[in-house]
Amino acid sequence: ETGVTQSPTHLIKTRGQQVTLRCSSQSGHNTVSWYQQALGQGPQFIFQYYREEENGRGNFPPRFSGLQFPNYSSELNVNALELDDSALYLCASSLDSYGYTFGSGTRLTVV
Amino acid sequence: KQEVTQIPAALSVPEGENLVLNCSFTDSAIYNLQWFRQDPGKGLTSLLLIQSSQREQTSGRLNASLDKSSGRSTLYIAASQPGDSATYLCAVSPPNYGGSQGNLIFGKGTKLSVKP
Repeated sequence: ETGVTQSPTHLIKTRGQQVTLRCSSQSGHNTVSWYQQALGQGPQFIFQYYREEENGRGNFPPRFSGLQFPNYSSELNVNALELDDSALYLCASSLDSYGYTFGSGTRLTVV
Repeated sequence: KQEVTQIPAALSVPEGENLVLNCSFTDSAIYNLQWFRQDPGKGLTSLLLIQSSQREQTSGRLNASLDKSSGRSTLYIAASQPGDSATYLCAVSPPNYGGSQGNLIFGKGTKLSVKP
């Protein structure tokens, strides 16, 4: 049984650019959630996908968007990057939203 | 709006000591509560999950309790070791419509350092 895999592990982008982060769910999981964790803070919920449909969203602007694919892998896209978008982005998968398994995260730095 | 608070923010103890980490939440309407461990710059490792109908869960040297009515949970670590050094995060899940789990709401964590 494989866990949750995120890529890339680190990324540096320039303000105004666009970025795509990727997540492979744990085998058998059909729900994916994305979280943003700023330094010294707890993770903040961005959105969740269940069977390829967004079914929950936190307090993040529309420039944060996502996709879930038929194999339940997922992407997080962020447009018009701002300095405050610098954070650790965590992906978590679950089966029917019970008991989340987290990936190791992608560290995004916006300069 | 659900808020989760963890006290203390940081804790340093000598190896072998038993310790308690605290988590409080403002809305008792939760689906479950989960404790995670996070090593510096890394993802989250799930330690214990307590359903809203349960009072406690145990795994090895870890024991977590839940008092939903008072909005509190504690994580007890017995015989602490240097390898336990990490940040410990508490998260609650509010019930969605239909009773399933909603997204996780996290505290800021307690940074634990266990000295040899």
